[in-house]
Amino acid sequence: EDQVTQSPEALRLQEGESSSLNCSYTVSGLRGLFWYRQDPGKGPEFLFTLYSAGEEKEKERLKATLTKKESFLHITAPKPEDSATYLCAVQPRSGGYQKVTFGTGTKLQVIP
Amino acid sequence: NAGVMQNPRHLVRRRGQEARLRCSPMKGHSHVYWYRQLPEEGLKFMVYLQKENIIDESGMPKERFSAEFPKEGPSILRIQQVVRGDSAAYFCASSPSSDLPFFGQGTRLTVV
Repeated sequence: EDQVTQSPEALRLQEGESSSLNCSYTVSGLRGLFWYRQDPGKGPEFLFTLYSAGEEKEKERLKATLTKKESFLHITAPKPEDSATYLCAVQPRSGGYQKVTFGTGTKLQVIP
Repeated sequence: NAGVMQNPRHLVRRRGQEARLRCSPMKGHSHVYWYRQLPEEGLKFMVYLQKENIIDESGMPKERFSAEFPKEGPSILRIQQVVRGDSAAYFCASSPSSDLPFFGQGTRLTVV
């Protein structure tokens, strides 16, 4: 059974204080690893897809990286508007999107 | 192009009543996924539908839950005889194919 573990569960940063969120996974052959942002009372919003170890993707203050066992979401000089829950999810090679397994998320709070 | 529309956004039902959750996919999208999210838990897949067909309902409880996606109109997730444990946020996602779907804002069901 595929598994996704995210850490820490919650993270509180001062504005400008860079940090990383971790996503450890086990999957029967990786088709893709996804990062989403979820604001309170809203649905998940897609950020990145990573497909193979060594791949990196960037968007504004966010950079996602992937190894064979984990992914990191690096947040550089965060701002209060980056406060949200960040979800990681994996899709096995053998299944469609309905086979995607989600982690429980890291709740990020950025203090001004 | 409006996003994935879910209604109602909030729904309160007494134990034993029926809950009907509606999802209007984005224009041109014929694939719909339903998920349940409990506090402190990850998104859990429930059912995957295409127009007039249930493709995968492996995540759906065997009793009381049903889903449909008719040729015309929204997709409906129906929960009969609701119990307190059904209280959760229910999300719908849609895509034009089996690729990455877009999520709606969710329906928060509270059973009292």
